[in-house]
Amino acid sequence: GAGVSQSPSNKVTEKGKDVELRCDPISGHTALYWYRQSLGQGLEFLIYFQGNSAPDKSGLPSDRFSAERTGGSVSTLTIQRTQQEDSAVYLCASSLVGQGGNTIYFGEGSWLTVV
Amino acid sequence: QKEVEQDPGPLSVPEGAIVSLNCTYSNSAFQYFMWYRQYSRKGPELLMYTYSSGNKEDGRFTAQVDKSSKYISLFIRDSQPSDSATYLCAMGGSQGNLIFGKGTKLSVKP
Repeated sequence: GAGVSQSPSNKVTEKGKDVELRCDPISGHTALYWYRQSLGQGLEFLIYFQGNSAPDKSGLPSDRFSAERTGGSVSTLTIQRTQQEDSAVYLCASSLVGQGGNTIYFGEGSWLTVV
Repeated sequence: QKEVEQDPGPLSVPEGAIVSLNCTYSNSAFQYFMWYRQYSRKGPELLMYTYSSGNKEDGRFTAQVDKSSKYISLFIRDSQPSDSATYLCAMGGSQGNLIFGKGTKLSVKP
């Protein structure tokens, strides 16, 4: 696609429920990233994919968080048993190749509210 | 010491002013320096990209990198209300992921 596409754009869920956030990167981009941005906070790195593998998942905050990428394209970030502190904007980004000085392009984010 | 430090502001200036946004960093391995602009409830968009030290100009925007001082700047000339946004610096080396600053919130008053 023309840009990084994320869905849903907004999600309100009850505490304890599972949520899935989807990211469709720019066509041809091999690298995909998930970040989290809380109100007034900077970008918190969660996980990086190169192709379908995740060489760096060091930023996932707990084992309630997982992500996968299939076909070298679409990625899903899953949060199990959501907690109120999970409320944030989840941003997906992609780049032509991974890491180094490659420019990353962001989607508009999925705004998650846990009530 | 954090890897990247950025004053969160907020910074409020009158229309037409010159704006200076800055970041400092501690990792001498950083070679790539970027500025992203983020409007409210939008994703960050790349504004400027520089490699190593020096200046880069694009219209009203100038990015400056001083590797000896580990200091980068973004200057906005003739600032407009449409420049009101949060500006994030980002940097990285040949390995590893980009490291982002926390962002500076800028408001340009008409």
